[in-house]
Parts: sequence; C-alpha cells; structure tokens
Amino acid sequence: AQSVAQPEDQVNVAEGNPLTVKCTYSVSGNPYLFWYVQYPNRGLQFLLKYITGDNLVKGSYGFEAEFNKSQTSFHLKKPSALVSDSALYFCAVRDTRDDKIIFGKGTRLHILP
Amino acid sequence: EAQVTQNPRYLITVTGKKLTVTCSQNMNHEYMSWYRQDPGLGLRQIYYSMNVEVTDKGDVPEGYKVSRKEKRNFPLILESPSPNQTSLYFCASSKNNEQFFGPGTRLTVL
Repeated sequence: AQSVAQPEDQVNVAEGNPLTVKCTYSVSGNPYLFWYVQYPNRGLQFLLKYITGDNLVKGSYGFEAEFNKSQTSFHLKKPSALVSDSALYFCAVRDTRDDKIIFGKGTRLHILP
Repeated sequence: EAQVTQNPRYLITVTGKKLTVTCSQNMNHEYMSWYRQDPGLGLRQIYYSMNVEVTDKGDVPEGYKVSRKEKRNFPLILESPSPNQTSLYFCASSKNNEQFFGPGTRLTVL
C-alpha cells in the first residue's frame, strides 16, 4: 500500500538559516510527488511537484525539493528561511497505478525571528 | 476568478440527519477530490473523480457518498452522519497534477 511519512511533527529554524522538511514515500507504481502548504486561515496551496525529469524541482516562494529514487525521499528545502514561511507543510504522493493521492501527516514549520 | 467553492463553510448537525456539502470549480478541471483533515492525521482522501460519471474510493470512503453528474460539481453526501465524521473537509480540483483547494467546511456532528 502506498504511504507517505513526514518524520518530524515540528521543525524550528532561525530566520535566515536554511530549512529542510523531510518526506519519504512508498508506492507500487511510479510516484508523482507534491508539497503543499497550509497557512492559518488561508487554506491549502500548491508549492511544487515532481513528475519526471530533473530531480531538483523549484516551486513557489523560493522553495525547492529533491527527488531521490534510491532513498524514496522528496525533502523540501529553502536556502534562507523567512518568518512568513511559518506554516503547516504536507507532502503528498499520487500513485499512477490508481490515481489515489496520499498525504503525509504534516510538519509544522516555525521560523524564529 | 478561478476558484473552488464549498458550501456550507460551517455546519453543526445531529447524528443521523442526512447532509450534503457542495463543491464547485470553474476551471474545467477533470480530476476532483474530497479530503478530511484531522489533527495528527493530515489529509485523508475520501473519494476522487477522474471525470464525469467516474468516481473511486480513496482511503477513507466509509460513511460517505459522492456523485459527478457535471464536470464542475462534486458534492459530498453523508447519508447518516456520526460523531466520528466531525472534521474539516476540503474539496479540490486538479489540472496537470496541481490541486486547487476549496476553503474548507468545518462539520460538527453531535
């Protein structure tokens, strides 16, 4: 069965430091991978996706993620964190065999001023 | 404005009283989906639809029904709600694998 793991419930980073939010996945078919962000009272927004091609994908607000097939990981990164990046981040995978979408449990990111 | 709308935004009801949460998108997207969000559990897919008249179960379909008679609408039906269906519900539509989410419906079943 497909699954997504976000091993950290919360990540704290000082403003200006690089940040990483971890995600690993398990699917039977080829994975489509995504990151979404949920700001307080603003709903869920798409950040970036990996479908095929270059393993490093760039998305909104300066975020990027690296697809690592051997480690089945898709960690979210940003070189320099902003206080406004504080939010709840979800990793998701779409199994191309059945088109279901599985989300991780989310990681709350706190950027400390 | 391109958007996904859900109604109602907030609903308090009682056990067993049938309800429908509507979802509509104006982007001509083929893929639509319903999720529930619960603390510590993230988002879990309830049902999804690849196109009109095509619906499939997600991970937590028990107690829910959906229909897709038109491309723009994807209502979520709770025939006999129970307290364990108290949750925050999101509808989403998708094109090119990018999902656009509605604002959410907070449902409380007493």
